[in-house]
Amino acid sequence: AQSVSQHNHHVILSEAASLELGCNYSYGGTVNLFWYVQYPGQHLQLLLKYFSGDPLVKGIKGFEAEFIKSKFSFNLRKPSVQWSDTAEYFCAVNARGGFQKLVFGTGTRLLVSP
Amino acid sequence: DAGVTQSPTHLIKTRGQQVTLRCSPKSGHDTVSWYQQALGQGPQFIFQYYEEEERQRGNFPDRFSGHQFPNYSSELNVNALLLGDSALYLCASSLVGRGSDYEQYFGPGTRLTVT
Repeated sequence: AQSVSQHNHHVILSEAASLELGCNYSYGGTVNLFWYVQYPGQHLQLLLKYFSGDPLVKGIKGFEAEFIKSKFSFNLRKPSVQWSDTAEYFCAVNARGGFQKLVFGTGTRLLVSP
Repeated sequence: DAGVTQSPTHLIKTRGQQVTLRCSPKSGHDTVSWYQQALGQGPQFIFQYYEEEERQRGNFPDRFSGHQFPNYSSELNVNALLLGDSALYLCASSLVGRGSDYEQYFGPGTRLTVT
């Protein structure tokens, strides 16, 4: 069975600080990887996705993530956070060629102070 | 281009009652998945509907059932509600023709409170 671990449950940063959120997954086959964001009062939105190819993927709002297959990791990064990045971030995985079922981590709540 | 819509926004029910939640997929999508998001947790997969049939199911009891209509919209039904069913219920739509290599678009959710 697939599982996703997000090690940081709460992160507090000042504006302009750099961000890295950890995500590790467990699955024996080939996977697709996603980062979703949930801003306060809004619905889940896709930040970025990895299906294949270049392991460094860029998403919206300056976010990027790197897939390291040997470490089963897909960490999210942003060089300089803004107050508007305050949100909850979810890493998710599904099996390539499967029925699209997404398995989510428990989420990381990010608070950026101005 | 309409996104995923869900109704109602909020719902309060009593233990033992039954509830029906509704979802309309994003225009052009034909597959609907339902997730339960408990407070402080990530969404958990309940089941997925395609061509009006349940195609895959997560670890949820038979009290959770669903339906998909010919226009691709979907309902989630929960019978004999328990306090533990209190959660945000999310609907996500996608296009099955792309297999798993296509992202799911999420609706705003229905907040269910069971008292």
